[in-house]
Amino acid sequence: NAGVTQTPKFRVLKTGQSMTLLCAQDMNHEYMYWYRQDPGMGLRLIHYSVGEGTTAKGEVPDGYNVSRLKKQNFLLGLESAAPSQTSVYFCASLLGASGHNEQFFGPGTRLTVL
Amino acid sequence: GENVEQHPSTLSVQEGDSAVIKCTYSDSASNYFPWYKQELGKRPQLIIDIRSNVGEKKDQRIAVTLNKTAKHFSLHITETQPEDSAVYFCAASISNFGNEKLTFGTGTRLTIIP
Repeated sequence: NAGVTQTPKFRVLKTGQSMTLLCAQDMNHEYMYWYRQDPGMGLRLIHYSVGEGTTAKGEVPDGYNVSRLKKQNFLLGLESAAPSQTSVYFCASLLGASGHNEQFFGPGTRLTVL
Repeated sequence: GENVEQHPSTLSVQEGDSAVIKCTYSDSASNYFPWYKQELGKRPQLIIDIRSNVGEKKDQRIAVTLNKTAKHFSLHITETQPEDSAVYFCAASISNFGNEKLTFGTGTRLTIIP
């Protein structure tokens, strides 16, 4: 059981470039989330998904797009990267059954936009 | 939307002493309150959580208390040890059919002084 994995671990982009971050989970979890973590600001929800084929906006969705074509994968896209998107990105997943409330986090992706 | 405030931002305690971290939330409909621990360079991990129908929950050296009337909840760590040094995040959410859309506090950096 790998749990939640994220690809890549590190990335440096130039302003205006695009990229996709991949999150994968092998726990058959229904819900998946993308957060960004900035110093002094905790974790903020970007987008989330309540099941395969669904996505919804979180607290800070601007500049990001997501897709959940397969239950086990949740992709986060940056179409035109900006320095303000320099951050550590965490993916998380949740089973989605009563009594199972823990969100399991991936190891994170450190993104720098120059 | 929900707003979660967390205090203090940094906390240093002598090994063996107790540590208390406090959070307040704004949305009275919130009913799920987890605490996450994040060691340096690692992913956040759930350490304890509480639902709004419970006033206190304990797990060995850690406990969480909830005051729904005042809309605040606290993390208590007793007999602190060096491995308790980390950043701790509180969060709040309105559980919706198993979906936990968490709003996080800004974190408390706890340092245990040997």
